[in-house]
Amino acid sequence: DVKVTQSSRYLVKRTGEKVFLECVQDMDHENMFWYRQDPGLGLRLIYFSYDVKMKEKGDIPEGYSVSREKKERFSLILESASTNQTSMYLCASYPDGENYGYTFGSGTRLTVV
Amino acid sequence: AQSVAQPEDQVNVAEGNPLTVKCTYSVSGNPYLFWYVQYPNRGLQFLLKYITGDNLVKGSYGFEAEFNKSQTSFHLKKPSALVSDSALYFCAVRDDSNYQLIWGAGTKLIIKP
Repeated sequence: DVKVTQSSRYLVKRTGEKVFLECVQDMDHENMFWYRQDPGLGLRLIYFSYDVKMKEKGDIPEGYSVSREKKERFSLILESASTNQTSMYLCASYPDGENYGYTFGSGTRLTVV
Repeated sequence: AQSVAQPEDQVNVAEGNPLTVKCTYSVSGNPYLFWYVQYPNRGLQFLLKYITGDNLVKGSYGFEAEFNKSQTSFHLKKPSALVSDSALYFCAVRDDSNYQLIWGAGTKLIIKP
């Protein structure tokens, strides 16, 4: 089975800290995504990537950046964490030609205090 | 604008009864439709998808979904609910302008013994 692994399940950070959320997939998928999930709002796309060193802004990129130096790893960076970035963060991937059967990681619940 | 709606925040069903979780969509072209499930403190898992073909799509865990073009709906169904089906269910549709998935807000399904 394809695995998408997010490095932390729970994370508590202080306001103003730089935060790194890591996502690794083990099946050579080209496409990777970062979402945040908030109650009543569903999933909102932060950034996505179609290939190594390629990134595209999603619907809510403000306050975030990403890095994809290797195909299997897609990192989400909160440049200066704020309390309104407290959320569940989900990473997903899928291969080209799959017709969008996304595989998700287990999520990272980030609390900014 | 392309969109997807899940009109019910929560659905309550007695164990053994049939269940339906509703989804309606709006897209400009042919719809690519998906259902995902999220169990507590987990990432999303793919249940089923409609791309083309038979309007009744069968998926994982005994779930199925019926595509209705005239009503622009893609309701998720199961003939006999289990307590273990209690989870958060997301409907999604492909955005034709950028090929990303547009997500519904989610429906919490509660199956009571």
